[in-house]
Parts: sequence; structure tokens; C-alpha cells
Amino acid sequence: KNQVEQSPQSLIILEGKNCTLQCNYTVSPFSNLRWYKQDTGRGPVSLTIMTFSENTKSNGRYTATLDADTKQSSLHITASQLSDSASYICVVSDRGSTLGRLYFGRGTQLTVWP
Amino acid sequence: EADIYQTPRYLVIGTGKKITLECSQTMGHDKMYWYQQDPGMELHLIHYSYGVNSTEKGDLSSESTVSRIRTEHFPLTLESARPSHTSQYLCASSPDRGLGSNQPQHFGDGTRLSIL
Repeated sequence: KNQVEQSPQSLIILEGKNCTLQCNYTVSPFSNLRWYKQDTGRGPVSLTIMTFSENTKSNGRYTATLDADTKQSSLHITASQLSDSASYICVVSDRGSTLGRLYFGRGTQLTVWP
Repeated sequence: EADIYQTPRYLVIGTGKKITLECSQTMGHDKMYWYQQDPGMELHLIHYSYGVNSTEKGDLSSESTVSRIRTEHFPLTLESARPSHTSQYLCASSPDRGLGSNQPQHFGDGTRLSIL
């Protein structure tokens, strides 16, 4: 069964600290893995997309890693800011159909305290 | 910044009413999607479209219907709303790049629907 599991479910950190969010998946055949940020009351916004051949990709203070062999990804946030408080969603796409079906994790709710 | 708009943002309405949730995008994207999202849960695909006159049901069974008469417009309709339809509905679009597309989906800010 194709699944995407994220951990932790929620996380509280102090402003300025770093953190790492985890994503494990069983989706096959694999096409790409995406990280989205969803602010409360808003739609998800794409942070990174990685294909099978990419093992790291950065977007400002966000760095995503991918290990396609172990089917794990992480999202590292450096020097956190209050505006980083949001839900971070891991999404994996398969390549078994023209649509490129997406499998969503439930997200990690990050809270950054001053 | 993605140009995809959903209206209304919030809707509280009584049981049995007909509801249409609007979604429009100005990016010329062929693929459009509707998702349902409950608090703390993953997004579930309920409808999608490859382009004009194309509509398909998603993974989650839904009593809603959609239409795609114009590229930029993908409305979702509930003929008779029930309390079980209470949820957040997110619309998204992406450019058509074929199999295994690496293009991100652009999401609207959603409609939070409450059926009394």
C-alpha cells in the first residue's frame, strides 16, 4: 500500500533554532517528492521538489534531502523565524499514471516561539 | 506568487441547500484539482481535470460534481448540502507536462464549508 508517514506530528522550537522534519514513504514507482508549507487558513505552497537522482535541494533557509534507497526524506529549517510556524507536508508522486498520482502525508505542525 | 483564487473563503449554510464553490486560475494551466482536507488529516483528491471538457473522480468518494467549460474555471457543486460535507475544500492547478510531471501544484487558499 502506498503511504507517506511524517514525524513528528507536532514540534515546538524557539526562534533562531534549527529543526529537522522527517518523511518516510512506500510509494512505488517513485517519481518525485515534494515539501509544502501550509500556513493556517491558507493553501499549501511548494518549497522543494526532488526527483530520484537528486539527494538535496535548498530554498533559502529550507533544505530538503532525499534517500531514494531507504525511501526517506527530511526537511531542515535553519535559524527558525516566527513566520516558519506552519504545517509542513510531504507529498510523493508516482509515475504509474499520466496524472502522476500524489500521496500526501498528514503534515508536521511546527510552532516557533519567541 | 501563484494566481489561483477560491470563493467564498468561508461559507456557513443550512442542510439541503445547493452550493457552488468557485475556483479560477490565470496561469493557463491545463490540470486542475479539488481536494478535501480535515484538521490534522492529509489532503484527499475528490475531482480532477486534464483540460476543458475533462472531469474525473478522485480517490475519495464525494457527492459533489465539477465542470470544466473554460480552462481557467473549475467550479465544484453540491446539490444538497449535508453536515457530513463540512470540511475545507482546496483547489489546485498545474501545467500539463505529461507523465511523472515535476511541476508543483499551485493551491488556492481554500473554502472552509460548514453545514448546519
